[in-house]
Amino acid sequence: AQTVTQSQPEMSVQEAETVTLSCTYDTSESNYYLFWYKQPPSRQMILVIRQEAYKQQNATENRFSVNFQKAAKSFSLKISDSQLGDTAMYFCASYTGTASKLTFGTGTRLQVTL
Amino acid sequence: DGGITQSPKYLFRKEGQNVTLSCEQNLNHDAMYWYRQDPGQGLRLIYYSQIVNDFQKGDIAEGYSVSREKKESFPLTVTSTQKNPTAFYLCASSIAGGGREQFFGPGTRLTVL
Repeated sequence: AQTVTQSQPEMSVQEAETVTLSCTYDTSESNYYLFWYKQPPSRQMILVIRQEAYKQQNATENRFSVNFQKAAKSFSLKISDSQLGDTAMYFCASYTGTASKLTFGTGTRLQVTL
Repeated sequence: DGGITQSPKYLFRKEGQNVTLSCEQNLNHDAMYWYRQDPGQGLRLIYYSQIVNDFQKGDIAEGYSVSREKKESFPLTVTSTQKNPTAFYLCASSIAGGGREQFFGPGTRLTVL
């Protein structure tokens, strides 16, 4: 069974600073995908970034980048130049073909302050 | 605009009643999903469907039922046997096949009175 663990229930960062959200996962599959989703106060889930496990290069999307450590089963999200609009719940998730479904972590609530 | 719609946004139900949540997508996606979100528990999969007229149970299917008669529609019925139905329900869709992005609807907040 897949599991995804987010050990930081809440984090805070000042505007323009950098913050890293942690995520670890467990799977026996060799082919899988990892995701970070953002859920702002509107509760609309939005994809932030996606990583294919067979790719060694870390995915990046503008101010968002990941540190994918396959051997350690770690998938952290780095947000650079934090903005007030980054305030949200952030969910880490994994997908394997065998399960054919996303498994979510419990989320990290990020507050960006002035 | 392409997207996923869920209705209603807020739903109130008396104990002992069944209620159906609507989910419609015009993204031409084959796969559709229903999740339940509770505080501190992330999203949990209720049911999913990879193709019309076929669906599978997720991790917490007890007390719920679905149908997939049309590609664009995947309604969820919360039955009276669901013990703790008060929650936020999210519908999603994706292209079939491994590891594709799931697009989410705006959600329905169900409250049992």
